[in-house]
Amino acid sequence: AIQMTQSPSSLSASVGDRVTITCRADQDIKTDLGWYQQKPGKAPKLLLYAAFTLQSGVPSRFSGSRSGTVFTLTISGLQPEDFATYYCLQDYTYPRTFGGGTKVEI
Amino acid sequence: EVQLEESGGRLVQPGGSLRLSCAASGFSIRNYWMTWVRQAPGKGLEWVANIKEDGSVRHSLDSVKGRFTISRDNAENSLYLQMNSLRAEDTAVYFCARDLDVNDGKTWYDAFDVWGQGTLVTVSA
Repeated sequence: AIQMTQSPSSLSASVGDRVTITCRADQDIKTDLGWYQQKPGKAPKLLLYAAFTLQSGVPSRFSGSRSGTVFTLTISGLQPEDFATYYCLQDYTYPRTFGGGTKVEI
Repeated sequence: EVQLEESGGRLVQPGGSLRLSCAASGFSIRNYWMTWVRQAPGKGLEWVANIKEDGSVRHSLDSVKGRFTISRDNAENSLYLQMNSLRAEDTAVYFCARDLDVNDGKTWYDAFDVWGQGTLVTVSA
């Protein structure tokens, strides 16, 4: 199974900050990667798919990038509602695998 | 409103069986791949299984192969997960999700855009 290593596991930030979260795949997964946001006690929410494509209705402050097997989620101008846990998910092959998650705290 | 609602989670003894259901409303599941994802208490997300629109193709996690079976009834607009030989490590909230399965002309991409609220399965003596 493809291993997705997500970092950091947690971070502290303030409203207005630029935040970056990284996921590294242990092999080439092209651009077959999505990003999800999860708040406590809630279901995950799709943010981006195909590495860069913003899901409909998701604010443009969320963006994705790729350099080889390293993928980055950037939040430009953190908002109060963005404090949550973020996960990457590779859909290049089966089984699908999630990163370990990054908790964004105040 | 587009919704998914899971049901069927409860406390079950190790070695027991359980069938989870996921009822869709506001859309027809016959047009979508559907997926189960689980989350153990205090842990991250884990993809479990998925099934093609017509049920002809299924994939699952190695650790559940031979024990869990994903199925669907498009007429009933429902997705299922039959779980047998349950183990303590299967304890988790189980979410069902709709896969948009987006195509850019070359590649199909998963995009789980609609999720249920989850149902808790606890495996314990």
